[in-house]
Amino acid sequence: GAVVSQHPSRVICKSGTSVKIECRSLDFQATTMFWYRQFPKQSLMLMATSNEGSKATYEQGVEKDKFLINHASLTLSTLTVTSAHPEDSSFYICSASFPRALVDEQFFGPGTRLTVL
Amino acid sequence: AQKITQTQPGMFVQEKEAVTLDCTYDTSDQSYGLFWYKQPSSGEMIFLIYQGSYDEQNATEGRYSLNFQKARKSANLVISASQLGDSAMYFCAMRESFSGGYQKVTFGTGTKLQVIP
Repeated sequence: GAVVSQHPSRVICKSGTSVKIECRSLDFQATTMFWYRQFPKQSLMLMATSNEGSKATYEQGVEKDKFLINHASLTLSTLTVTSAHPEDSSFYICSASFPRALVDEQFFGPGTRLTVL
Repeated sequence: AQKITQTQPGMFVQEKEAVTLDCTYDTSDQSYGLFWYKQPSSGEMIFLIYQGSYDEQNATEGRYSLNFQKARKSANLVISASQLGDSAMYFCAMRESFSGGYQKVTFGTGTKLQVIP
């Protein structure tokens, strides 16, 4: 099956710093990448959808200037949490998709656990 | 209104028994996709099964089958012959497509399944 990697898997940072999370599709070209946020024992909340070479589409309530998404190529998307604060601590998951027959399946990365002190 | 509703926050099932996890959805689209994902304690999202809105047959993947009742807008997951390794969170999700190629996947709140030996 298709593989999506995320780096880093875990990051601890001080309040006020910026953190970059990478999402890579390893063996396929992803037409679309999605970024999700998951609080403990809760569901995945879509933050933004990005297509290669175009601006990301952010969900309502997600600050574009705080969560910068760059989809530079068909295999790489980055999420930068700028000036992180403790309330940004969460599990961030990316997924990538490509049209496959009639199934536009998403392949998920393993997630990045961000802790802001 | 909730797009995806999972009414069972937690379920128990005896090993080797079958279990049904409920999912109802709400959409006005004619074309949509329904997914089930498994999330173990490690956090990774594992794709289980997919049902397209135009598929007339219920989807099956090994021990997983999706009981799709379009008129009732339900897409229940049936796991047959439960195994201890099936203990995890299970999320139902729906993909909708919008104009301009924008897609969105909405997740339910999840059901925590525990398999009892």
